Amino acid sequence: AQTVTQSQPEMSVQEAETVTLSCTYDTSESDYYLFWYKQPPSRQMILVIRQEAYKQQNATENRFSVNFQKAAKSFSLKISDSQLGDAAMYFCAYRSAGGATNKLIFGTGTLLAVQP
Amino acid sequence: DTAVSQTPKYLVTQMGNDKSIKCEQNLGHDTMYWYKQDSKKFLKIMFSYNNKELIINETVPNRFSPKSPDKAHLNLHINSLELGDSAVYFCASSLVVGTTQYFGPGTRLTVL
Repeated sequence: AQTVTQSQPEMSVQEAETVTLSCTYDTSESDYYLFWYKQPPSRQMILVIRQEAYKQQNATENRFSVNFQKAAKSFSLKISDSQLGDAAMYFCAYRSAGGATNKLIFGTGTLLAVQP
Repeated sequence: DTAVSQTPKYLVTQMGNDKSIKCEQNLGHDTMYWYKQDSKKFLKIMFSYNNKELIINETVPNRFSPKSPDKAHLNLHINSLELGDSAVYFCASSLVVGTTQYFGPGTRLTVL
């Protein structure tokens, strides 16, 4: 069974600085997708970024980028120029590419605080 | 326009009661899901429906019964509520199986 591990329960960053959130996963599959979701205090789950395992190029979305290391099964999220609105719980998630189901397997989350 | 909506957003009820949470998506998606987020913020899949057919049922007590009257709706009915059912329940949808999931705002259920 696949598992996702986020080893940092809490992180803090100064506004305008850069922070990296860690995520590792365990799978025997070769084709899959990885995601970072953001959950602000409003509780809404917001997709931040996704990465296809077959792509070597790291995904980027504006100030958000990932460092995907397939061999190491590592998928970290880098937030550049941190803003107060980035304060939230961040969840790493895994999804198989094959099969008839589509379930997301989540890590336990990292609570990010942004200091002004 | 809300893409995935849930009602109610908050639900407070007594142990033993029966309650329902409704989910609607206006994205034209075929696949819908229910996830449970416990008090420690851990999120786990409960059910998934594809085109009104159940495709995931993750060892959830049979007190929980999802119902999909059409592709745009997936409701969750819970019988004989227990204290441990207190959680935030998220509905999500995706275009088809194997595509990105978009979440609703969540329903916070509190069982007293």
